[in-house]
Amino acid sequence: NAGVTQTPKFQVLKTGQSMTLQCAQDMNHEYMSWYRQDPGMGLRLIHYSVGAGITDQGEVPNGYNVSRSTTEDFPLRLLSAAPSQTSVYFCASSSARLDLENNEQFFGPGTRLTVL
Amino acid sequence: AQSVTQPDIHITVSEGASLELRCNYSYGATPYLFWYVQSPGQGLQLLLKYFSGDTLVQGIKGFEAEFKRSQSSFNLRKPSVHWSDAAEYFCAVGGTNFGNEKLTFGTGTRLTIIP
Repeated sequence: NAGVTQTPKFQVLKTGQSMTLQCAQDMNHEYMSWYRQDPGMGLRLIHYSVGAGITDQGEVPNGYNVSRSTTEDFPLRLLSAAPSQTSVYFCASSSARLDLENNEQFFGPGTRLTVL
Repeated sequence: AQSVTQPDIHITVSEGASLELRCNYSYGATPYLFWYVQSPGQGLQLLLKYFSGDTLVQGIKGFEAEFKRSQSSFNLRKPSVHWSDAAEYFCAVGGTNFGNEKLTFGTGTRLTIIP
C-alpha cells in the first residue's frame, strides 16, 4: 500500500512549456485534490474531484487543467507554464465520509516546480 | 466563505516547555476542524480532527486541541515539546457544505525548538 504518490519530485520548466504532474493513490478513495503551497500563504486548493469523471475548480484554478478518468489517477496539467506557477504542489486523497473515525485526507510527498 | 487565521507566523519555545498554537476559523455552519504538521521537505500529516461531540480532541504525538464555538477557535496544545516537534503546523476547516476534498488551510505557524 503506497498511499498517495506523486511524480516527479522536482521539475524545472521554461516559461510557456507544458507538463503534467502525476498523482496516484491505491486506497480506492473517491476524493482527490490538488493544492499548491507558497511561502506565507499556506495551501490553496487548485482543483478537486469527487469521483471518476467528476472534477471542479478550487480557489486558484487558472492555468491548470485536470481530468479523472480512473479512481486511482488525478493528473494536473500546466498548459503554458508561467513564473507565477513556481510552487510546491501537493496531491491529496480521502474517502467520501469526512466524519468517519478513521477517515482523513492523505497527502503525497509533493512536487517542487520552478518556472524560469 | 470559510477561512482560517493562524495569527502566529513563527513561535519559538524551549524543549520541555508547553505549547499553544492559535487557530481561528470562519464558517457558517458546524465546522470540521483539523490540525496538520509538515516537517521540512515532507508532505502533511494529520495530527487530529474535530467533527462533533467532546470539544477536547486528542491526537497523535501527544497533541490535543480544544474547539470553542463561542470564540471560533481550535487551538493546538502540547504540555511538553520535544525537539522533534519542530515543524510547520497548519489548521484547516472543512464542513458539511462540502466534503473532505475541499479543505481551507491557514497560512501556517512555524515552530522552532531551542535546547
